[in-house]
Amino acid sequence: EVQLVESGGGLVQPGGSLRLSCAASGFTFSSYEMNWVRQAPGKGLEWVSYISSSGSTIYYADSVKGRFTISRDNAKNSLYLQMNSLRAEDTAVYYCARQEFGELLVWGQGTLVTVSS
Amino acid sequence: EIVLTQSPDFQSVTPKEKVTITCRASQSIGSSLHWYQQKPDQSPKLLIKYASQSISGVPSRFSGSGSGTDFTLTINSLEAEDAAAYYCHQSSSLPWTFGQGTKVEIK
Repeated sequence: EVQLVESGGGLVQPGGSLRLSCAASGFTFSSYEMNWVRQAPGKGLEWVSYISSSGSTIYYADSVKGRFTISRDNAKNSLYLQMNSLRAEDTAVYYCARQEFGELLVWGQGTLVTVSS
Repeated sequence: EIVLTQSPDFQSVTPKEKVTITCRASQSIGSSLHWYQQKPDQSPKLLIKYASQSISGVPSRFSGSGSGTDFTLTINSLEAEDAAAYYCHQSSSLPWTFGQGTKVEIK
């Protein structure tokens, strides 16, 4: 079964850091581009970051550029999001999603990040 | 940044009715427009890719059309299980963007 499972969310103070992980199974992880998408409570979807299958190409939304770092370990079938200098507006459920061509076909269940003092 | 504007924001519909949701892009995106369904407390699910291409396992009552700047998601003969939020998403140019969402409620 194709599956993505996020972990690492939790409560963090403003200015703090958190590292999210996304474990992939049921497919050849190294062949796929991956993304992080977030959803603030009661709000819509917001694309956060993209990484190519090899990890050589990376993009970020302006809202997180310079604070978040996406990476992957194809040997461990895992995707990561290192989040630094967290702000209240980063509070959201964070989803990892597998990209086909342009569409996001496979999504994880999400992990909640709450930034609050 | 390409802005996607969906209409309506909310729709209350009777079962078996036809639902039409539109998504307008602030500039031409060709057919690089995808539709997702998100039920409460669930992850988004891909319904339609590249404006009109069907997805395996998605009921045939869901269809999409459009190109350029104007796109439509149609749900023929709405069923109770279709109560959800629906989002459009463009992959024409970075940053990728989503519409604000349309919530469909069953009367």
